[in-house]
Amino acid sequence: AQSVTQLDSQVPVFEEAPVELRCNYSSSVSVYLFWYVQYPNQGLQLLLKYLSGSTLVKGINGFEAEFNKSQTSFHLRKPSVHISDTAEYFCAVSDQEGYSTLTFGKGTMLLVSP
Amino acid sequence: DAGITQSPRHKVTETGTPVTLRCHQTENHRYMYWYRQDPGHGLRLIHYSYGVKDTDKGEVSDGYSVSRSKTEDFLLTLESATSSQTSVYFCAISGDRDSYNEQFFGPGTRLTVL
Repeated sequence: AQSVTQLDSQVPVFEEAPVELRCNYSSSVSVYLFWYVQYPNQGLQLLLKYLSGSTLVKGINGFEAEFNKSQTSFHLRKPSVHISDTAEYFCAVSDQEGYSTLTFGKGTMLLVSP
Repeated sequence: DAGITQSPRHKVTETGTPVTLRCHQTENHRYMYWYRQDPGHGLRLIHYSYGVKDTDKGEVSDGYSVSRSKTEDFLLTLESATSSQTSVYFCAISGDRDSYNEQFFGPGTRLTVL
């Protein structure tokens, strides 16, 4: 079974600073990777996904992530954060194309302060 | 936004009582999922469905049952609620193979078992 590790439970950062949220997954022949964001008292919203092709994936709200197969990582980055980016971020993995269940990490709380 | 509603949105109940949570979708998606979210655990899959009357267990299925008699409705039942089932419950849906496992989430149900 797949597993996902989000190395930081909380990441505090100042507004306009860059940020990286780390995600590692257990190795598999092929994986499909996702980052979701959860704003307070809301459901989860897809930020971006890696299925195949270019290892650099761009998502909504200026976020991007890089798939690194040798390091089994899929870290999320943003060059300049806003107060409104304060939310919890979840990394998820699937090891089957098409229909499959997702395995989620435990989440990283991004706290952006002025 | 994907058409997913959950009811009720909040519920307080007592230990030992039965509880049913409803997920309703208007997207005609084949796959539906129930997750629970607890601090420090991320999202954990309870049960999922891959069609009408086709369901399977997830990671934390003990104490829960599900039913899907129509494409649009997926019910989660706690036969005899316990305090350990206090949580936020999310329903998610996904389409067919072309959607590459992207799941769309409902707004959640906050359940408190006293």
